[in-house]
Amino acid sequence: KNQVEQSPQSLIILEGKNCTLQCNYTVSPFSNLRWYKQDTGRGPVSLTIMTFSENTKSNGRYTATLDADTKQSSLHITASQLSDSASYICVVSPSNDYKLSFGAGTTVTVRA
Amino acid sequence: GAGVSQTPSNKVTEKGKYVELRCDPISGHTALYWYRQSLGQGPEFLIYFQGTGAADDSGLPNDRFFAVRPEGSVSTLKIQRTERGDSAVYLCASSLKGGSTDTQYFGPGTRLTVL
Repeated sequence: KNQVEQSPQSLIILEGKNCTLQCNYTVSPFSNLRWYKQDTGRGPVSLTIMTFSENTKSNGRYTATLDADTKQSSLHITASQLSDSASYICVVSPSNDYKLSFGAGTTVTVRA
Repeated sequence: GAGVSQTPSNKVTEKGKYVELRCDPISGHTALYWYRQSLGQGPEFLIYFQGTGAADDSGLPNDRFFAVRPEGSVSTLKIQRTERGDSAVYLCASSLKGGSTDTQYFGPGTRLTVL
């Protein structure tokens, strides 16, 4: 069973609207959690990184939250733009291990 | 270079053929990773290099897959006797030292199609 589960699998939003993506994980012990953005045909690019002691981290219009107690994270996209259309992948790093646990991603489509 | 580069960007081959996929990591990065990504899925770990040595090759699916990094920089992923199930995007990533706190920087991937 995948240790990182993301929802929804995909979503469509209108330009200018907000959306929130969810990530639940069971990876333990836990070092950090990252959200990556992957444009079609490109490699993933790191958006945010949070350790267990951080509750929120922002990168422009992207805001990630983390609840290490419930092992949940979210990525909120504010005032979406067409360029936000991509797959967003939740990635969890276990402590003292280089092996990352990847979610399957949420595909976001922003329409004009 | 400024980022991780991979060549070719696309590779179409016939079942049974041999293919090589190349990865140029960020200069100075000692850690290099290969992943395989199927459509609609997150990347799946294949192999991790620390310098010239394969520190962990537990993700390689079978002995048809092999990877080298002879000088601790460029790496080549080699697939023998390709099968249709090998079709996927092969991603390479590098990080400065390796370890859980290092950010892995990904290349654009090589899309392999086995006919």
